[in-house]
Amino acid sequence: GAGVSQTPSNKVTEKGKYVELRCDPISGHTALYWYRQSLGQGPEFLIYFQGTGAADDSGLPNDRFFAVRPEGSVSTLKIQRTERGDSAVYLCASSAGTGYGYTFGSGTRLTVV
Amino acid sequence: KNEVEQSPQNLTAQEGEFITINCSYSVGISALHWLQQHPGGGIVSLFMLSSGKKKHGRLIATINIQEKHSSLHITASHPRDSAVYICAPLSGGSNYKLTFGKGTLLTVNP
Repeated sequence: GAGVSQTPSNKVTEKGKYVELRCDPISGHTALYWYRQSLGQGPEFLIYFQGTGAADDSGLPNDRFFAVRPEGSVSTLKIQRTERGDSAVYLCASSAGTGYGYTFGSGTRLTVV
Repeated sequence: KNEVEQSPQNLTAQEGEFITINCSYSVGISALHWLQQHPGGGIVSLFMLSSGKKKHGRLIATINIQEKHSSLHITASHPRDSAVYICAPLSGGSNYKLTFGKGTLLTVNP
């Protein structure tokens, strides 16, 4: 597509529920990144995919968070047993590879009530 | 101590003024991004640079890797330039992981 698409744009969920956030990167971009931006803070790195594999998942805060990219294109960030502290904007970005510029999606605003 | 320091945190200017936003970082890096985020909007990448200077329209970015410092300049500022500008170096030892500054909120008044 023309840009990085993230769906949904907003998600409100109850504490303890499971959520999936989707990122559709620019066609042909092999690198995909997830970041999390809490209110008033800069984005923090979560995970980096090169192709289908997670090359670096060191930013995932705990084992409730998991991300996949099975065909090397669309990625899904999955959060189990959501907590109120998970409320944030989840940003996805893609690039043609490391060393290339990023294109960011508009983000998914997750609110856990 | 934050690895990335931006100054000023807030900047108000009149239309037409020349704007400078500074970024200092404490770790060695391979490259640095300047990003723009409008209120309630997504993040747009303005520049990625690893040395020297880049220019795009009214925007100019410079970097001095040895001094660990970068600047973003806006010439002939316009109200539509009002946004948060974020400096994001590629973390030391990584060529993919960005460390974000806290951003500079720029308001350009007509």
